Amino acid sequence: NAGVTQTPKFQVLKTGQSMTLQCAQDMNHNSMYWYRQDPGMGLRLIYYSASEGTTDKGEVPNGYNVSRLNKREFSLRLESAAPSQTSVYFCASRTGRLFFGSGTQLSVL
Amino acid sequence: GNSVTQMEGPVTLSEEAFLTINCTYTATGYPSLFWYVQYPGEGLQLLLKATKADDKGSNKGFEATYRKETTSFHLEKGSVQVSDSAVYFCALSDRGRGSTLGRLYFGRGTQLTVWP
Repeated sequence: NAGVTQTPKFQVLKTGQSMTLQCAQDMNHNSMYWYRQDPGMGLRLIYYSASEGTTDKGEVPNGYNVSRLNKREFSLRLESAAPSQTSVYFCASRTGRLFFGSGTQLSVL
Repeated sequence: GNSVTQMEGPVTLSEEAFLTINCTYTATGYPSLFWYVQYPGEGLQLLLKATKADDKGSNKGFEATYRKETTSFHLEKGSVQVSDSAVYFCALSDRGRGSTLGRLYFGRGTQLTVWP
C-alpha cells in the first residue's frame, strides 16, 4: 500500500539552482495538491490539480510551476531556488479525505 | 473567503488530563470540517471529520462537533496519553465546482506535548 510517494526526502540547493519534486499516488484520485509547511504558518497551498489536465494556483504559487503528467503524477518545479523556499513540502491527493506523502525537506543556501 | 483559526500553542498537559483545542472557521456555503494530526517526521493523517452541521466526528478517543451557529469545530479528548503528543491541524474543505473536490484550508497547527 504505497499511497502517496514523494521524492526526494531531503535536498539541499544553492540559490539559483533548479529542481523538480516528484509525487505519485496509486489510489486513482483525481485531485492532487502541493503544500509547503513552515514553522508557525501551518500548511499553505502552492498549487493544486482538481483533475488530470488541469492545474490551479493556491495561496503561494510564486516561484513554482507544476505539471500534472497523468492521473498518477503531479510534479513541482523550482526554476530558480531562493532561500525563502526553504521549507518542508508535502504532496497530497484526495477523494474526500486528504492522503499525504511523507514530505521533502528542502534547504536553499 | 474561507479561513480557519485555531488556538496557538504550544499546549502542554500531564497524562490523563482533558484536552481542548479550539478551532473556528469562516466559510461560504456548507464546508466539511477536519482535524489532521502530524507526528514528528511524518506527513499529516486524518484524525476525524464532519460533513454537516451537528455531526460529531470521533476517532481514537478524540471528538469534535460541527457547530454552525458558532462556526466552530473544537477538538476534545477526555484523557490524553503521551502518545498523543503531535501537531494538530484544523481544516475546512469547500465544495468545489461541479463534480470536482474543493480546496482545503488549514489552520496554523497546535503543538501538543503530553508529559507522563
